[in-house]
Amino acid sequence: KNQVEQSPQSLIILEGKNCTLQCNYTVSPFSNLRWYKQDTGRGPVSLTIMTFSENTKSNGRYTATLDADTKQSSLHITASQLSDSASYICVVSRGSQGNLIFGKGTKLSVKP
Amino acid sequence: DAGVTQSPTHLIKTRGQHVTLRCSPISGHKSVSWYQQVLGQGPQFIFQYYEKEERGRGNFPDRFSARQFPNYSSELNVNALLLGDSALYLCASSYRRTEAFFGQGTRLTVV
Repeated sequence: KNQVEQSPQSLIILEGKNCTLQCNYTVSPFSNLRWYKQDTGRGPVSLTIMTFSENTKSNGRYTATLDADTKQSSLHITASQLSDSASYICVVSRGSQGNLIFGKGTKLSVKP
Repeated sequence: DAGVTQSPTHLIKTRGQHVTLRCSPISGHKSVSWYQQVLGQGPQFIFQYYEKEERGRGNFPDRFSARQFPNYSSELNVNALLLGDSALYLCASSYRRTEAFFGQGTRLTVV
């Protein structure tokens, strides 16, 4: 079954701290993996997109990793800011049509 | 360039009614996909259209339908609304199979 599992479900950290979010997938055939940030009630905004051959990609304070062998990805946020409070969704694109399989997201709260 | 635009932003309907949601993709994007996101969950795939043809359909009842127009804009129609249809409906556009760009969504509340 094509699934994307994320952990933890929610996370609270203090401003300035680092955190790492996890994503495991069983999607096949794999096309690419994306991380999105979604503010409450808004549409998701892309952070990174990685293909099979890429194992790390950075976007400012966000760094995503991909291990295609173990089918795991992580999103590391450095020096968190209050504006990082949002849901972070791992999405795997499947097959030639590029159908997107979404995880349920990790809800991150950054406290002052 | 304008991003993906969706209308309306918010909508309240009663059970049994019909609703039409609209989406305008980014200029040059020929693929439009629709997703339903229930509170606290990740988006669920409803439809994908490319060049006005349906390219994919998720596990949704026949009450849900969609179409894409010659200018690549799209409509999502939902008939006989149920309370469980209350959700954020997201539209995403992409150029072929590249990165998907999402609109701000339409918040549908069925009462």
